[in-house]
Amino acid sequence: SYELTQPPSVSVSPGQTARITCSGDALPKRYAYWYQQRSGQAPVLVIYDDSKRPSGIPERFSGSSSGTMATLTISGAQVEDEADYYCYSTDSSGTHGVFGGGTKLTVL
Amino acid sequence: EVQLVQSGAEVKKPGDSLKISCTGSGYSFTSYWIGWVRQMPGKGLEWMGIIYPGDSDTIYSPSFQGQVTISADKSISTAYLQWSSLKASDTAMYYCARPGIVGATYFQHWGQGTLVTVFS
Repeated sequence: SYELTQPPSVSVSPGQTARITCSGDALPKRYAYWYQQRSGQAPVLVIYDDSKRPSGIPERFSGSSSGTMATLTISGAQVEDEADYYCYSTDSSGTHGVFGGGTKLTVL
Repeated sequence: EVQLVQSGAEVKKPGDSLKISCTGSGYSFTSYWIGWVRQMPGKGLEWMGIIYPGDSDTIYSPSFQGQVTISADKSISTAYLQWSSLKASDTAMYYCARPGIVGATYFQHWGQGTLVTVFS
């Protein structure tokens, strides 16, 4: 079955830029989406259609995709950005959704 | 305002059946796909499947096909996730979620989650 691969953890100091990657064979043909999940809370969509930001999401969150890799960038990461981040996409047929394994972002 | 309200936490024994619910409000329930996502304790998100309440078209993840049943009752704007025989490994938080736009299948709006605990 189709898989999306993320690094288990990323660590940055406050104010630095955090980059979280997501690789998948179908990403050249399928959009990537990114979710933030703080401890004990439901996920929140932070990026859709590779690089669009939903209303209410801070401008420091941005997304890009090239070839088989999508990237979530948090420019000037803040302590409140500490959370688990999941990429999401669909398989090559567009039928089945799949989440990446998640990346724990530490900001300290 | 779009809202998805899920049923409350459940504690069950192995072999029990269970049906949890997700009620949508603030939008046309029959116009958007609605899906289910599992999160086992301390683990990541898993896409289980989605249903289009307008015509009950349902797509399951191969990992969950045959293990659960997704359904919807459009007359009461409610989607369901059910098990016929629970296992301890079904212990997890289950979220329902809905896309942000008609025709999309990624999730923008999420329910609060239903915790299912299965132990003997």
